[in-house]
Amino acid sequence: AQSVTQPDIHITVSEGASLELRCNYSYGATPYLFWYVQSPGQGLQLLLKYFSGDTLVQGIKGFEAEFKRSQSSFNLRKPSVHWSDAAEYFCAVGQAGGSYIPTFGRGTSLIVHP
Amino acid sequence: DGGITQSPKYLFRKEGQNVTLSCEQNLNHDAMYWYRQDPGQGLRLIYYSQIVNDFQKGDIAEGYSVSREKKESFPLTVTSAQKNPTAFYLCASSPQGVLNEQFFGPGTRLTVL
Repeated sequence: AQSVTQPDIHITVSEGASLELRCNYSYGATPYLFWYVQSPGQGLQLLLKYFSGDTLVQGIKGFEAEFKRSQSSFNLRKPSVHWSDAAEYFCAVGQAGGSYIPTFGRGTSLIVHP
Repeated sequence: DGGITQSPKYLFRKEGQNVTLSCEQNLNHDAMYWYRQDPGQGLRLIYYSQIVNDFQKGDIAEGYSVSREKKESFPLTVTSAQKNPTAFYLCASSPQGVLNEQFFGPGTRLTVL
C-alpha cells in the first residue's frame, strides 16, 4: 500500500528566508505526487503536481518541488517566504490505474515570523 | 464560478442525533470524496463515489453513510453510531481519470455537544 510521510509537524521560518518542507513516499511504481496548502478553517488548494517528465516542477505562489526517485522524496521549496504563506501543507501520493484515491500525509504547519 | 460548496460552515448537534452535511459541485466532475480532518492526523477518507448511484467505503466509514443520486451532489450523514463525530469535514471532487488533482470545498466543522 502507498504511504506518505511528512516528518516535520511544525516548521518555523522568518519572513524572507528560504523554505523546504519534506515529503517521503512509499510506493512500488512511479507515483503521482501532489502538494496542497490549507489556510486555517479552509479547504485545500493544489500548489503543484508531478506525474512524469521533468523532476523539478513549478507551482503557484512561487513554490516548486523536486521529485527524487532514489530518495523517494518530493520536497517542497520556496526561495523567500512571505507572511501569507503561513498555513498547513499536505503532501499526497496517488497511483496509476483503477480508482484514483490519493493518500495524504499528516501535514506540516508552517509558521512565519516577521 | 465553478466550484464546490459545503453547507453549513459550522454545525452543532446533540449527541445521539444524526446529521447530514451537504456537498454540491458544479464542475461536472464524476468523482466525489468525503474526508475527515482531525488535528495532527491529516485527511482520512470516509467514502468516495466515482459515478452516480455508486460509492465505496474509505478507511473510516463506520458510523457514516452517503448517497449519490445526482452527479453534482454527495451528502454525508453522520449517524449516532459514530463514536467521536466532532471534526472538520472536507468534500472534494475530481474528473474521472488518474491524472487529475482533487478540488476541495471549504469544509464543515461539526461539533457534537
